[in-house]
Amino acid sequence: GAVVSQHPSRVICKSGTSVKIECRSLDFQATTMFWYRQFPKKSLMLMATSNEGSKATYEQGVEKDKFLINHASLTLSTLTVTSAHPEDSSFYICSARVGSAVSYEQYFGPGTRLTVT
Amino acid sequence: AQTVTQSQPEMSVQEAETVTLSCTYDTSESDYYLFWYKQPPSRQMILVIRQEAYKQQNATENRFSVNFQKAAKSFSLKISDSQLGDAAMYFCAYRSAKYSGGSNYKLTFGKGTLLTMNP
Repeated sequence: GAVVSQHPSRVICKSGTSVKIECRSLDFQATTMFWYRQFPKKSLMLMATSNEGSKATYEQGVEKDKFLINHASLTLSTLTVTSAHPEDSSFYICSARVGSAVSYEQYFGPGTRLTVT
Repeated sequence: AQTVTQSQPEMSVQEAETVTLSCTYDTSESDYYLFWYKQPPSRQMILVIRQEAYKQQNATENRFSVNFQKAAKSFSLKISDSQLGDAAMYFCAYRSAKYSGGSNYKLTFGKGTLLTMNP
């Protein structure tokens, strides 16, 4: 099956700094990738849909300037958490679309645990 | 907007037994996809099974099968011959089949059911 990787798997950063998380499709091209946030023992919350070569579509309530998404190539999307604060600590998961516009699967990365101190 | 409800926060099952996880959803659309995802302690999301709404036949994948009741908007997952590796969080998810750009690709997830194995 399709493989999606994320880097780093864990990151600790100081409050006020920025951190970048990478999401890569390893054996396929992904025109669409998704970024989710998951709190402990909770469901996945979609943050934004990332389309290659265009601006990301953010879900209601997600700050665009805080969570910068770039999808510059068909195999890489990045999420940058700017001026991170402790409340941004969470588990971030990306996924990539495989297949046609009508019938497709989403394959998920292994996630990145962000801790802001 | 579509919603997905999983009414069982936790379930437990004995090894080799059968367990059924419930999922209901609300939509005004007639064509859509339904999914069950598994999230083990590693946190890696794994697709367990998917069902196209236009298909009347229930999907099956080895020990996993669904009971899809379109009129009742119900989509339960049955796990037969449960194994230790089945212990995980299970999420039910919905996706529209109507293409209208990037936003309709998104999955709507339920809150999840934690499945544990009884010793």
